[in-house]
Amino acid sequence: SQTIHQWPATLVQPVGSPLSLECTVEGTSNPNLYWYRQAAGRGLQLLFYSVGIGQISSEVPQNLSASRPQDRQFILSSKKLLLSDSGFYLCAWSGDGNTEAFFGQGTRLTVV
Amino acid sequence: EDQVTQSPEALRLQEGESSSLNCSYTVSGLRGLFWYRQDPGKGPEFLFTLYSAGEEKEKERLKATLTKKESFLHITAPKPEDSATYLCAVQVGSWGKLQFGAGTQVVVTP
Repeated sequence: SQTIHQWPATLVQPVGSPLSLECTVEGTSNPNLYWYRQAAGRGLQLLFYSVGIGQISSEVPQNLSASRPQDRQFILSSKKLLLSDSGFYLCAWSGDGNTEAFFGQGTRLTVV
Repeated sequence: EDQVTQSPEALRLQEGESSSLNCSYTVSGLRGLFWYRQDPGKGPEFLFTLYSAGEEKEKERLKATLTKKESFLHITAPKPEDSATYLCAVQVGSWGKLQFGAGTQVVVTP
């Protein structure tokens, strides 16, 4: 069966520091991969998606970037964090076509 | 512009008191409507996918239905363990991208 791992679960970082969040998927090949952010009391906002190695699409302009160095690995990064980057970050995967997405357990990021 | 609106924002139920959550959507060419359950501090857990008007899906005390403009999540005889935030999403464009509503927070008291 497929599983998705996301870490760390919580992270407190100072303003201006770098960020690296990692997500890996097991049990499937060539998944579509996604990074979402959830602000308190709001719905999930799609940040990035990837349909293959090295293929990244950005949905909103921001201080973050994403990379997909391997088929089942997705990384969210920032060179210098802002206070506004605080939030709950979720990685997800889906198969081809009109299929449901499955989410990791999320990373609570607090920028101080 | 694609939009997903969920109502109510919050719902407090007595155990056994059935109710319905609403998800109205405006999207050009629905490719799928999804319901998720999210517990505090956790990632969303997939519940249902609906593809066409008239379709219904059931799982334990939950039943999801779909019309051309909205979807309902019916909770029948809820139990305290059904307390969670329920999220609705529609697939927009290709590649499985989802647009989410803000969710309905459900609290079921004994």
